Formats: sequence, C-alpha cells, structure tokens
Amino acid sequence: DADVTQTPRNRITKTGKRIMLECSQTKGHDRMYWYRQDPGLGLRLIYYSFDVKDINKGEISDGYSVSRQAQAKFSLSLESAIPNQTALYFCATSDTRRREAFFGQGTRLTVV
Amino acid sequence: GQQVMQIPQYQHVQEGEDFTTYCNSSTTLSNIQWYKQRPGGHPVFLIQLVKSGEVKKQKRLTFQFGEAKKNSSLHITATQTTDVGTYFCAGPKAAGNKLTFGGGTRVLVKP
Repeated sequence: DADVTQTPRNRITKTGKRIMLECSQTKGHDRMYWYRQDPGLGLRLIYYSFDVKDINKGEISDGYSVSRQAQAKFSLSLESAIPNQTALYFCATSDTRRREAFFGQGTRLTVV
Repeated sequence: GQQVMQIPQYQHVQEGEDFTTYCNSSTTLSNIQWYKQRPGGHPVFLIQLVKSGEVKKQKRLTFQFGEAKKNSSLHITATQTTDVGTYFCAGPKAAGNKLTFGGGTRVLVKP
C-alpha cells in the first residue's frame, strides 16, 4: 500500500462545481503539502501545513482552500472550479528531521 | 519571494553521452534536494545536500551544492534510457521552511 494516498486519481468536473481532493498518509509525518503541476511550470505550492493547527498559503492559493482534519489527512477544495484549474495535483508529506518529501500518486483534474 | 530556477528546461541527450542540469535560487538555501519524476509518475526523492560545496554521487549521478548555497547541479554520465524523466531541485530558504521547487529539467534520451 502507498504511504501517501490521494483520492480520486482522476476527476472530470464542470465549471462552477465544488470539488474536494483528499490526501491521507501513513508515514506519521507532521508536514503536508499540496502542489499543482502544469506542463513546463514545475511544481507550484498551493497550501502547506506543518501541523494540525497550522495552515499556510503557498504561491498560488487563490481559488483553493484546505482542511487539515488530522495529522494524517489534508484535503484540498476548489469551491467553484474553473477550466484553468485543470492540472495534475500532488499531495506530499515530510517530517521535521529528515525533510525529504514523499509524494502521492497524483490526481489528474479536468474542469470542463 | 524565493524563486528557484532550473536550466535547461528540456535536454535531449544521445544515449551514452553526459549532461548537466543546473539549479539556481534567488536566496540562500538551507539545503537542496533533488527529485526525479518518471513519465506518468510522481516525484521521487533522490538526494539531499546540506553543506556548502558538498558533492555526492549515486552511481552515474553526481550532485553538487554551490559554495554560496544558492546553486546546485546534477551531472549524469553515460546517459541511459532509464534516465528519462523530469529532474527537479527543491530547497527551503531556512531550516524548517517550506519546500520550493524549480521548474524541472525534462530529459529525453535518444537511443
């Protein structure tokens, strides 16, 4: 089983719909991240959380919100999806000591 | 804000040849990490460099952290088809800070 699990893996949704992407981890890490990947733009940070009570905006947080329901769960919401939010979304985790990031398999989101 | 740039964006390499990809940060980094993403996959951690001027090797891959801790390089010798993918560098500005990724270098290998 994967240590960092993202659901769903693929999703097609209509413009204006609310959608939630979920991430859960079994690594026991305190830090969790949501990144967006677009061709040629690398990985851009949307939101990150260093513990359950800590939520921080990344470089492209507009149009997104997050919830850290527990140490192991970090969900990303698009309140009203728009076509330019079509992208590959990755959740990642890390711990304070080792600092390397572990990524989920990704969620491919298409907004039509 | 902190920016991490990678060059080149694309690298076409003949199998068996060497190449280098570079990573440059607008700010001093606490450490630099390198990741590899195979086509259709997710980024996977390769290595972390912490000390100024540090050099680490993994088989045919050589990683270097600059003296000023603002740049890094990845050199691959005798490129193989298994090296295909996108290589990302990432670094926090300070210990305990968020991880900022570069745009990646996409490597294509010609057999």
